[in-house]
Amino acid sequence: SQQGEEDPQALSIQEGENATMNCSYKTSINNLQWYRQNSGRGLVHLILIRSNEREKHSGRLRVTLDTSKKSSSLLITASRAADTASYFCATRHFDYKLSFGAGTTVTVRA
Amino acid sequence: DAGITQSPRHKVTETGTPVTLRCHQTENHRYMYWYRQDPGHGLRLIHYSYGVKDTDKGEVSDGYSVSRSKTEDFLLTLESATSSQTSVYFCAISESVQGASYEQYFGPGTRLTVT
Repeated sequence: SQQGEEDPQALSIQEGENATMNCSYKTSINNLQWYRQNSGRGLVHLILIRSNEREKHSGRLRVTLDTSKKSSSLLITASRAADTASYFCATRHFDYKLSFGAGTTVTVRA
Repeated sequence: DAGITQSPRHKVTETGTPVTLRCHQTENHRYMYWYRQDPGHGLRLIHYSYGVKDTDKGEVSDGYSVSRSKTEDFLLTLESATSSQTSVYFCAISESVQGASYEQYFGPGTRLTVT
């Protein structure tokens, strides 16, 4: 069964606004990763945060991790039309597999 | 998608026929994975491989088999396709160096329709 669950399922924002999505998981993790999927394409790795980290930044992306609440959030600042995609969190536990959530679909309106 | 190809990219087949999907990588990564993606379910792991001839089942392995005779190729076979196997199939790879985070790199996907 899926470990990560994203919230909300869908998000529509105006260009220039920030987009925030959340991921919750059930059991202890080694790391948590976020991926983006553009329509009809494969997933692309965006950012990874380890279990002993609380926040990571990469360009316009900011990820937080709260292991006590078993949750993570992904913030995309100053959104662009090109950010329109589905975003997935994936949890790595203590082997070499990932468990993916069902994703958040983000639409950025011009 | 660099370094990972999937073939075919699209396939329509009839119920009961065997189907084989191929994943080919040029990255020499040890781990390879097959997922299916269906609306509302995200990605679900079908089978994975941790080396040549070393494979194991994922969460939705019923009706699927895999083989890995070379590092670069990972085959997914539907022995007798059913309509419930209509889906988009993704192959992924990850490396295994010490301290690796096991981030995965995905192929472009194969859209399979079983009629």
